[in-house]
Amino acid sequence: EAGVAQSPRYKIIEKRQSVAFWCNPISGHATLYWYQQILGQGPKLLIQFQNNGVVDDSQLPKDRFSAERLKGVDSTLKIQPAKLEDSAVYLCASSLTGYREQFFGPGTRLTVL
Amino acid sequence: TQLLEQSPQFLSIQEGENLTVYCNSSSVFSSLQWYRQEPGEGPVLLVTVVTGGEVKKLKRLTFQFGDARKDSSLHITAAQPGDTGLYLCAGESDDYKLSFGAGTTVTVRA
Repeated sequence: EAGVAQSPRYKIIEKRQSVAFWCNPISGHATLYWYQQILGQGPKLLIQFQNNGVVDDSQLPKDRFSAERLKGVDSTLKIQPAKLEDSAVYLCASSLTGYREQFFGPGTRLTVL
Repeated sequence: TQLLEQSPQFLSIQEGENLTVYCNSSSVFSSLQWYRQEPGEGPVLLVTVVTGGEVKKLKRLTFQFGDARKDSSLHITAAQPGDTGLYLCAGESDDYKLSFGAGTTVTVRA
């Protein structure tokens, strides 16, 4: 079974630029999560989708971050414009509806200069 | 602010030694999950403990959930270099959302 795929794996941009991350969850997983993991901290949930609907985006900085999940499968997370404090690893995870276990992708490491 | 406090933050031991990592919170959780994360990879689930007082063993790893379901510990017996990694605990709320601790970086020297 293929795992959660993410791209790109690394991205370096300058502040005020825009960036987008892509995630392809495990086939059949209706629930998709985006986390932000700053160096030295645990992952922090940014947004949770159930199919193509948003379940929780309470910790998403909506003035600069946006996310969508087209057709309930792939998802993209966008930052526009980026700030220095956005430097982090962005993790995507998926799970079967009603199941505890979340499967994480390898993450995208973003560096904002 | 992390809801879950992990200690110690860093741990470096010699191969064959034992170690314990702690995860504490003032909140009650539906379950407590332990993950290991290696550099450049996402976290991988090791175990989920659900019942207060529960003990689970995974080869040389022993996980315990506190009676009040607020804290947990991970004990590794006879650590090996392959146990090196970032160990994360995560508390699960009733709606399946996870709150992660900051993690414990474990280094096992050969």
